[in-house]
This record gives sequence, structure tokens and C-alpha cells, in this order.
Amino acid sequence: DTEVTQTPKHLVMGMTNKKSLKCEQHMGHRAMYWYKQKAKKPPELMFVYSYEKLSINESVPSRFSPECPNSSLLNLHLHALQPEDSALYLCASSQEPAGTGLYEQYFGPGTRLTVT
Amino acid sequence: GEDVEQSLFLSVREGDSSVINCTYTDSSSTYLYWYKQEPGAGLQLLTYIFSNMDMKQDQRLTVLLNKKDKHLSLRIADTQTGDSAIYFCAESMSGYNKLIFGAGTRLAVHP
Repeated sequence: DTEVTQTPKHLVMGMTNKKSLKCEQHMGHRAMYWYKQKAKKPPELMFVYSYEKLSINESVPSRFSPECPNSSLLNLHLHALQPEDSALYLCASSQEPAGTGLYEQYFGPGTRLTVT
Repeated sequence: GEDVEQSLFLSVREGDSSVINCTYTDSSSTYLYWYKQEPGAGLQLLTYIFSNMDMKQDQRLTVLLNKKDKHLSLRIADTQTGDSAIYFCAESMSGYNKLIFGAGTRLAVHP
């Protein structure tokens, strides 16, 4: 099973709403990632969790709050977003490279977020 | 510094071979990857190559790596309409838990 699932598929929210994006994998991967992708652009890394601890935050605004409740789940909590935050949000997971430098990341289908 | 560059668009006829090119600047890259993204979908890992290898073949896909010129290519043999997508190359470096993506090449396959 090489599947990463994400819910919801689509989300429309107002600037005062609070919502959460969810990601799940059952491959036993210990690294999980959140990316933001704007149209016709490559994915931009937001956060990396390694063994359920936040290891990388790419200077993401605090209106995005990640959470890793356990090794299979990754959440992204959203609050007071701006219209420019509208994008495809992708979750990915991988084995820890253990010194090999190999980051074989498996991506979910993404959540299409629209902020009105 | 980290920089990965790709040409933005490629159009091929069905049945022909496609070659998508990528250049990178960081000589400490350990692995290089090719991902495929179809419209409205996530990224699918197609293949990867270790930086000490020159070539890797996997069915219709052939990856060539010229480490001296920092040039990576993906050849798709017998291109089909289902190969129409955006193809991203990416690099990783040991000790940095992240991928650096190129801008993506849109491949259009026409009859």
C-alpha cells in the first residue's frame, strides 16, 4: 500500500473561519510533509515532521498550524487565512533516509483550498 | 546555492519518444528524482537516480545523468496520450530533509 490519503478534497472557507486539513498514511513512514502548490508552479515545502516532531518550518505564517498526533496522521490547522492562501495543499510521506540521502516521497492527491 | 531548472513546455506526437531535460547547480546532490503530476492530482514518483550513476532504465523510462554538466534527462519511449502531464525534476542532499523542485515541464502528446 503506497497510498497517502487527504481530506477534504475541496474546501472553501472565509477569512474568519477555522478549518483543518487531514492526511493519513499506513506505510510506516516516519517523515511527513506539508506542501503548498499554486497553479503552474512547483510544490513549496511548508513543514516537515520527523518521528512526530516538527523538524522544518519554512518560515510559514502562524495562521497555518501543523500537528502530528501520531506516526500515521498529519493535520494542518487553518485560521484567519487570506485569499492569497488559496492553493492546492499536498501532504507527502517518506522513510527516514538514515544517512542515505534518499527521500522517496509519496504524495497524496491534495486538498484544493479556496479562501473567500 | 540550490537551483533546479527545466524547460517549460514540450509537445510530441503519439508513439514518438519524449526527452525532458533538467539542470541543477548543487554538486552535493545525492539523489535526483522525476515526478509526474496529472491535472488536479498529487505528484507521482516515477523514478530516481543516485548521483554516482549515469543511467537508469525502468520499462519505457530512461534516466540519464551527466554529473559533470549537472544535467539530468528523462526519456519516455513510445509516448502515449496518458503521458500528458507536468513532469518535475527534483534533487535532495544528504542531511537536508527536503526536495528542491524544478518549475516543471508540461508534456503535451498529440495524435
